[in-house]
Formats: sequence, C-alpha cells, structure tokens
Amino acid sequence: ELKVEQNPLFLSMQEGKNYTIYCNYSTTSDRLYWYRQDPGKSLESLFVLLSNGAVKQEGRLMASLDTKARLSTLHITAAVHDLSATYFCAVDMYETSGTYKYIFGTGTRLKVLA
Amino acid sequence: SQTIHQWPATLVQPVGSPLSLECTVEGTSNPNLYWYRQAAGRGLQLLFYSVGIGQISSEVPQNLSASRPQDRQFILSSKKLLLSDSGFYLCAWSSGLYEYFGPGTRLTVT
Repeated sequence: ELKVEQNPLFLSMQEGKNYTIYCNYSTTSDRLYWYRQDPGKSLESLFVLLSNGAVKQEGRLMASLDTKARLSTLHITAAVHDLSATYFCAVDMYETSGTYKYIFGTGTRLKVLA
Repeated sequence: SQTIHQWPATLVQPVGSPLSLECTVEGTSNPNLYWYRQAAGRGLQLLFYSVGIGQISSEVPQNLSASRPQDRQFILSSKKLLLSDSGFYLCAWSSGLYEYFGPGTRLTVT
C-alpha cells in the first residue's frame, strides 16, 4: 500500500525565517505534486516534480525531489504571513484501468506569525 | 481553458437522507475524474475515480456510490447519509499528469 507522510504536521514560524517541509513516500514514483489549501478553500497546484533531482521555485517556495530516497522537500525562504496555509504533497500511482490515482500526504498546517 | 464546477457549494442534510453531489468539467474531453473527501482538519481521502463513461473504481465502499453518466459529469450519491459523511467533498480532473480541483462542496450531516 502506498503511503505518503509529511512532517511536521503543524508549523508555526516567525516572518523572515526559513523552514523545510518533508514528504516521504513508500513506493517508487517518479512524480510528486505539491498543493496549497487556504482555510475553507479547494486545493491549488504549486509544483509538479517529474524526475529525480527536479527542482522548482516560485517566489519564496522551492520544491525538490529525490526519487532514490523517496523524499521531496518544500523549502520556505523568508516566510511572510501570506504563506500561511496547509500544504499537501501527493504521488501518483498507475492503475491497470489506464489511469493514475493520486495519494495525498497528511498535510502540513503552516502558520506564519508577524 | 478548462473549468470544473461543483454544486451545491454547501449542504446541510439530516442523518438518513439521500445525497447527490454533481461535478462537471468544461473545456476538455475524456478526462479522468476523481471524488475526494476531506474531514475537518484532515487530509484528502480518495473515494472514487473514473476513466470513462460508466467506469467507476471505488476506493472506499461504505455507503457512497458514484456514477458517470456523461463524459464530463461525475456524480456522488448516497441513499442514507451518516454523521460520519460530513466533510468537504472535492471533485478533480486529470489529463494524466496534472490534477485540477473543483471549488468543493461542504456537507454537514445533522
């Protein structure tokens, strides 16, 4: 069974600080997704990492993928209040029906304090 | 561009009542469609997915069912709601790589 674990589950950090969210998964997968969810809202796609060593950056967020370690990281640089949200990682699994299904991590609830 | 719609946006239903949530996608054909449930403060649980009309794969049998009567329409149903069915229901579509989520339906079972 494919499992996706994130840590930490909760993160409270000061504005201007750096921090990293970790996403571990239990089986081989070459693709890793990061999403953001604001309270009461749907999920917004942040990054899709397609291969080992992939790195994507958008603003203060940078995501990387190590498929050999089955690990992805989401690094936050100089956090600002607007980054407060819940962040999910997900991996996909190919099904014999001819599609992919997506398995999500538990989520990391980030709160950036002014 | 592709758009995904869900309705209703919010729903309050008594225990034992039926349920029907609808999801439609515009701007693409033959999408893979997904239903997820998110309990309060929790992660996403995949309920059903579909690769085509009438083709439904179930991840969580329980008292929910799904149907895909048209290429871009995905319906989540229940004959009798339980308290534990409360949550945020998200529909999503995928072309095989990226997954796009609808705005969600917040269901409260009382």
